[in-house]
Amino acid sequence: DAGITQSPRHKVTETGTPVTLRCHQTENHRYMYWYRQDPGHGLRLIHYSYGVKDTDKGEVSDGYSVSRSKTEDFLLTLESATSSQTSVYFCAISSGTSGGNEQFFGPGTRLTVL
Amino acid sequence: SQQGEEDPQALSIQEGENATMNCSYKTSINNLQWYRQNSGRGLVHLILIRSNEREKHSGRLRVTLDTSKKSSSLLITASRAADTASYFCATDQRDDKIIFGKGTRLHILP
Repeated sequence: DAGITQSPRHKVTETGTPVTLRCHQTENHRYMYWYRQDPGHGLRLIHYSYGVKDTDKGEVSDGYSVSRSKTEDFLLTLESATSSQTSVYFCAISSGTSGGNEQFFGPGTRLTVL
Repeated sequence: SQQGEEDPQALSIQEGENATMNCSYKTSINNLQWYRQNSGRGLVHLILIRSNEREKHSGRLRVTLDTSKKSSSLLITASRAADTASYFCATDQRDDKIIFGKGTRLHILP
C-alpha cells in the first residue's frame, strides 16, 4: 500500500457533534482528496487539495470543511454531524496534475452518526 | 451529477470467462482510469488511458476509449475468483477533479 493512513478507522458519534477525520501521507504527493462512499452512489468527491492551504470543493461539499496546513496532512471536518453524513470516507493522494496520475487510496473511515 | 456511469451495475460470470464492463461519461476528459475495490477495502488503481489513446493492455486487462462516443470499456480475460470485486471508472476532468462512477459489481462463479 502507498503510505497513506486514515484515522480513526471507525467512529460512532451523535447528531450535532463536531467530527474531524485525518488523512496522513508519507509520499509527499501534491494532491489529496476526500470522498464519501454510499450504496447506490459510488464515490463522491467532497473536497480536494492541490497544495498546502490550497483547497477546493467537490460535488458534495455542503456540511464539510477541510484544511491542509502541511503537505502530509489533510483534515476533513464535519462541523455539526448529521445522520445523512453516515458513510465510509476515503482519502486519496495523487502526485500528478490533470495530465493524469493514478490515485492511491487509504483504507477508509467508517463513520456512523446516530 | 456524476461524470462516469458504469454498465452493467452487476455482473456474474463463470470462472474462466471474459468480463466486460462499460463506462460512459459526459464532458471532455484528460484521461480515464479504472479502479478495483474489494469488499471493505480502498480502491486500487488498475489502468489509465489517455484521451489520445484508443486501447491499452495490462496483463489480463484490456481498456478501450472512444472519445467520440464518450465511452470506455474494461475487459478482463480468463476471469478468476480473485477478480470478484467492484470496478469503477474515473474521469480526470480538466479542472483537476477526478470523478468516479457508481461501479460495476463483478462476481466470478466457481
